[in-house]
Amino acid sequence: DGGITQSPKYLFRKEGQNVTLSCEQNLNHDAMYWYRQDPGQGLRLIYYSQIVNDFQKGDIAEGYSVSREKKESFPLTVTSAQKNPTAFYLCASSGRAAGANTEAFFGQGTRLTVV
Amino acid sequence: GIQVEQSPPDLILQEGANSTLRCNFSDSVNNLQWFHQNPWGQLINLFYIPSGTKQNGRLSATTVATERYSLLYISSSQTTDSGVYFCAVTTGGSQGNLIFGKGTKLSVKP
Repeated sequence: DGGITQSPKYLFRKEGQNVTLSCEQNLNHDAMYWYRQDPGQGLRLIYYSQIVNDFQKGDIAEGYSVSREKKESFPLTVTSAQKNPTAFYLCASSGRAAGANTEAFFGQGTRLTVV
Repeated sequence: GIQVEQSPPDLILQEGANSTLRCNFSDSVNNLQWFHQNPWGQLINLFYIPSGTKQNGRLSATTVATERYSLLYISSSQTTDSGVYFCAVTTGGSQGNLIFGKGTKLSVKP
């Protein structure tokens, strides 16, 4: 099936530990995005990538890092510098910003909890 | 930057009732999407509707770009319609990134 796969579904992080969230898509989309959602809130942009080997910071990038070595993959690392990492993380992909169809699709999310 | 405001923030309906959710945006947009977030957190695409009207079963949406608003209509609501409905837009300056409203939380009672 075509779509976006995030793993793991649930993740527990100890204080001071880095963790990496996986996001893979087989939609042949150029653009990929990471969003964070806190309880009762909308989604806020962490990082985005419009093309392989290039990415930009979103509104709340501090304490996070990404890479985009392959078109299909856009992993997010939550570093120990992120002071309040407990949240729901959603990955999305879409066609290029300048393209005719930029409809975005989301993965099922990763729920990260600090223990 | 652009502001996206959704109303009402909360809505409680009896099963079978109809409802209208509204999304206002403060600047011109390239694209607009409506999503339903289910109880497990997944965002389900409802409509990709930068302008005009679309229908899909009991749901329909209208975007009037010149007046900067979009409406989502739910007819004959069912308990499975419960969840949070988000409106999200992209602009010329957002480089394809979706900017979300805070959502409308819908509860449909049996």
